[in-house]
Amino acid sequence: TQLLEQSPQFLSIQEGENLTVYCNSSSVFSSLQWYRQEPGEGPVLLVTVVTGGEVKKLKRLTFQFGDARKDSSLHITAAQPGDTGLYLCAGDNAGNMLTFGGGTRLMVKP
Amino acid sequence: GAGVSQTPSNKVTEKGKYVELRCDPISGHTALYWYRQSLGQGPEFLIYFQGTGAADDSGLPNDRFFAVRPEGSVSTLKIQRTERGDSAVYLCASSLNGFGETQYFGPGTRLLVL
Repeated sequence: TQLLEQSPQFLSIQEGENLTVYCNSSSVFSSLQWYRQEPGEGPVLLVTVVTGGEVKKLKRLTFQFGDARKDSSLHITAAQPGDTGLYLCAGDNAGNMLTFGGGTRLMVKP
Repeated sequence: GAGVSQTPSNKVTEKGKYVELRCDPISGHTALYWYRQSLGQGPEFLIYFQGTGAADDSGLPNDRFFAVRPEGSVSTLKIQRTERGDSAVYLCASSLNGFGETQYFGPGTRLLVL
């Protein structure tokens, strides 16, 4: 069974602070995806990383895929209240099912 | 354009009852997925359809759960003899052809079993 562990589970910070969320597994994934989920909505894809060591940037968000394709991180610079939400990582082994981590619930206070 | 839609958005039922949850995928998407998200957790895979057939149902927790997609578009997740532990958000997603392509999620159906 492939498992993805996310840390921290909860994060409450002030506007303007930086933060990093981690997603770790003992299994190799062909790709890893990061989603953001708002209350009452389904997850929305932020980014997909495919190549070991890959770094992708989306405005203030930086995503990194580990060299061994087992772990990933999401770094947010100068967090804003609009960044508040549940961040989920999900591994894909081209087997059509996504394996999700438990999520990181982020709250950014103004 | 229209995204994935799910109905009802909320469902309250009593223990032992039967429920049906509906998913309308994005038009033209051949792959459809059902996930279940318990409170405070990430989604867990239930079943995957490619066209009309269930290509992978390994995530269904037991034989009380069943899903169909008779015409390769709309799918219905059916739960018999509901239990309180079935309370969760049931998410549907679709992708163009499956095979690792981006999955687009619906808003989910919140099921509460009393």
